[in-house]
Amino acid sequence: GEDVEQSLFLSVREGDSSVINCTYTDSSSTYLYWYKQEPGAGLQLLTYIFSNMDMKQDQRLTVLLNKKDKHLSLRIADTQTGDSAIYFCAENGSGGGNKLTFGTGTQLKVEL
Amino acid sequence: GAVVSQHPSRVICKSGTSVKIECRSLDFQATTMFWYRQFPKKSLMLMATSNEGSKATYEQGVEKDKFLINHASLTLSTLTVTSAHPEDSSFYICSATPGTGLSYEQYFGPGTRLTVT
Repeated sequence: GEDVEQSLFLSVREGDSSVINCTYTDSSSTYLYWYKQEPGAGLQLLTYIFSNMDMKQDQRLTVLLNKKDKHLSLRIADTQTGDSAIYFCAENGSGGGNKLTFGTGTQLKVEL
Repeated sequence: GAVVSQHPSRVICKSGTSVKIECRSLDFQATTMFWYRQFPKKSLMLMATSNEGSKATYEQGVEKDKFLINHASLTLSTLTVTSAHPEDSSFYICSATPGTGLSYEQYFGPGTRLTVT
């Protein structure tokens, strides 16, 4: 079955870069996503990357995809206290269907 | 951007009663809506996929008679937790996609916190 793993916790200082990592097992995924969840709230789509891309940059966010190793990362430049949240990676697997499989989530804590 | 709302945001009910949660796409038509359940400090677990005008498709292990899903229109899906018990207490989140095909435009609601006493 599909399995998506993330490290549970990351702590960075304000202004530093954050790198959140994700590994997945389903090689048929066509899209991979990063979502942000603040306490008590739903999920906010941050960015996504098509599986035939290696990198996507969107302002402070950079997504790197290593399809060979099934490794996805999200880099947040100049991390701010407002970036503190749980970050989930997700993949749509099964050749591009609508169903998403979410990772375990990484809690990002930004300290002053 | 696309907005998905949920109502209520928080509900407390007594054991044995039923609770209905609404999910609405406010500025787009959603052919497909998804219902997730999230336990504290855990990831999202897909419960069911709901397509407008047809029966929902439930994930393995999810009781369809307990979690009734109705997707009556292109902007509204409802989840009814029937005969709720304390173990049904959880954070329920819906999401919606604007059309068929790729899911890169899946938008999430703010979630509903259900507490069963």
